[in-house]
Amino acid sequence: LAKTTQPISMDSYEGQEVNITCSHNNIATNDYITWYQQFPSQGPRFIIQGYKTKVTNEVASLFIPADRKSSTLSLPRVSLSDTAVYYCLVGDIRGGSQGNLIFGKGTKLSVKP
Amino acid sequence: GAGVSQSPSNKVTEKGKDVELRCDPISGHTALYWYRQSLGQGLEFLIYFQGNSAPDKSGLPSDRFSAERTGGSVSTLTIQRTQQEDSAVYLCASSLVGTSGRGVSDTQYFGPGTRLTVL
Repeated sequence: LAKTTQPISMDSYEGQEVNITCSHNNIATNDYITWYQQFPSQGPRFIIQGYKTKVTNEVASLFIPADRKSSTLSLPRVSLSDTAVYYCLVGDIRGGSQGNLIFGKGTKLSVKP
Repeated sequence: GAGVSQSPSNKVTEKGKDVELRCDPISGHTALYWYRQSLGQGLEFLIYFQGNSAPDKSGLPSDRFSAERTGGSVSTLTIQRTQQEDSAVYLCASSLVGTSGRGVSDTQYFGPGTRLTVL
C-alpha cells in the first residue's frame, strides 16, 4: 500500500496562494494521485486527480515531479471558504484497490481574514 | 443527478443495542465503501463492496460490525451490541469503477454521513 505523508495543519490569509505537499515515496507505476477536500460535518469531496506533470481545473492545480514521489496541491487566492481538511490519496484507480482507501488524517488548512 | 444518500442522518442509541445504517449509492456505481470518522480524526476504512461481494473486509473493527449489499445497490452497515467507542460519523461512498488503464477516473463520491451516538 502506498503511504502518504502530509503536514498536519497550515495557516494562510485570504488572497494568498496555498501549496500543500504530500509525500508518497513508494508510489507504484499504476498509482494515481487524488486530492479530496472535507468541510466540517460533510463527507470528503473530490478536488483533483493526476498521474504526472501538471493538472489544472477550475478549483486547483496539481504538480507532480518526474519521480512522482511527491505531489503539491496548489490553491490560488484562497478565501475563508477554503478552510477545510485536505486529503492526499495514492492508489491504483483500476477499481477497488486498497490504495484508494487509505485517507490518513489530512492537512487542516485555516484561512484567516 | 442524485448523489449518495445515507439514512438516518443522526442516530442516538443506548449501549448494547443494535443499529442499522443505510447507504444508497449513485445509480450505476458498482463500488461502495464504508468509512468511520471519529471527532477530529481522519477517515477509517471499514469495508468495500464490488457489486454485491465484499472482497475487502479488513477494516471492520470487530465481529460486531457487518455489512451487506443487495442488488448491487443499497448497502446496510449493522453494528451489534453497540459500545460507546462506536460513536462516530459513518460515511458511505460510491464510485463508478471503470475499466483498467490510464485516464479512467474512479473518484469516490461521499454521502453526508450518519452521526451515531452511543449513550
